[in-house]
Amino acid sequence: KAGVTQTPRYLIKTRGQQVTLSCSPISGHRSVSWYQQTPGQGLQFLFEYFSETQRNKGNFPGRFSGRQFSNSRSEMNVSTLELGDSALYLCASSLGETGSSYNSPLHFGNGTRLTVT
Amino acid sequence: SQKIEQNSEALNIQEGKTATLTCNYTNYSPAYLQWYRQDPGRGPVFLLLIRENEKEKRKERLKVTFDTTLKQSLFHITASQPADSATYLCAPGAGSYQLTFGKGTKLSVIP
Repeated sequence: KAGVTQTPRYLIKTRGQQVTLSCSPISGHRSVSWYQQTPGQGLQFLFEYFSETQRNKGNFPGRFSGRQFSNSRSEMNVSTLELGDSALYLCASSLGETGSSYNSPLHFGNGTRLTVT
Repeated sequence: SQKIEQNSEALNIQEGKTATLTCNYTNYSPAYLQWYRQDPGRGPVFLLLIRENEKEKRKERLKVTFDTTLKQSLFHITASQPADSATYLCAPGAGSYQLTFGKGTKLSVIP
């Protein structure tokens, strides 16, 4: 079974631009979560989608948004990029059955390394 | 607010010894707790999940304990090897469709 695929692997953008990151979950997984990882803050939860619905959102500004498609693939978008948005963005999929998804192990991709200059 | 603390940012141990990593949490009561391993430049990899009604869980050289009274989980790697060197993350889960992670402990196993 193929793992979680994230594209692109690396991205360099300029302040003020916007960016879209893509995530293809493991086949059969309906839940997709996004995390931002920085050396100082560790893994910070962005949002979680299940069957095209956002079930939870972390404490990030509205510049961060996401969506999930009917095939469970997901995208996240960051508008008006700031230097502080430089980070590793990780996507994780899980079965995410009814009820909380915390009891399902998360399967992570290797992330998109975003650098904002 | 919910807080997760992993005992130290870095832990160095000699090959063959047992590594013990600590995860403490405050201000909530997780029903599950997960442990992950992360290597540089890669996403975390799931290792073990332990439920609140389980005191201990084992998988090969790994052992996890979960003490809901102390609000603490211990993660042990016995007969450690240099290949065990990585950052280990704990993630107590308590609903809300999200998993919150500690900042991790970087383990270095010295040959």
